[in-house]
Amino acid sequence: EDQVTQSPEALRLQEGESSSLNCSYTVSGLRGLFWYRQDPGKGPEFLFTLYSAGEEKEKERLKATLTKKESFLHITAPKPEDSATYLCAVQAEPRGRRALTFGSGTRLQVQP
Amino acid sequence: ETGVTQSPTHLIKTRGQQVTLRCSSQSGHNTVSWYQQALGQGPQFIFQYYREEENGRGNFPPRFSGLQFPNYSSELNVNALELDDSALYLCASSSGTDYNSPLHFGNGTRLTVT
Repeated sequence: EDQVTQSPEALRLQEGESSSLNCSYTVSGLRGLFWYRQDPGKGPEFLFTLYSAGEEKEKERLKATLTKKESFLHITAPKPEDSATYLCAVQAEPRGRRALTFGSGTRLQVQP
Repeated sequence: ETGVTQSPTHLIKTRGQQVTLRCSSQSGHNTVSWYQQALGQGPQFIFQYYREEENGRGNFPPRFSGLQFPNYSSELNVNALELDDSALYLCASSSGTDYNSPLHFGNGTRLTVT
């Protein structure tokens, strides 16, 4: 059974204080690892897809990395508008099965 | 480009009743998935429809059912509602022919069962 564990559950940062969120996964045949951002009362918003170990993706203050067992979402010099819940999800074989298995998320609060 | 839209945004039902939730896919997307998100948890996969047929289902009982229409819009039906069915129900669309394309989510329907 595919499993995704995110840590920490909650993180409070001061504006400008860089940190990393962790996503550990167990899956048979990884097709893709996804990061989403979710604001209160909204649906998840797509950030990144990573396909293979060693891959990195960047977007503004966010950088996602992937190893064979975990992914990290690095947040550099965060701003209050980066406050949200960050969700990690995996997509496994077989090809064509689009179901994602999500972790419970990390609630990030960035204080000015 | 029109995103994924869901209706209604909020709904209150009584235990034992039935409910229908609706979703319009993003333009150009022919695959629809439904997810249930309990408070403080990540979304859980309910099922997926491609070309009007269910082609994947999560660990949900048969009282959760769905439909996809020729215009790729979709419905989620839940019969015999239970208190534990209270959650945010998310619809997501994607391109069925591009397996690398990410899911695009709507803002969900908040269902409260009393």
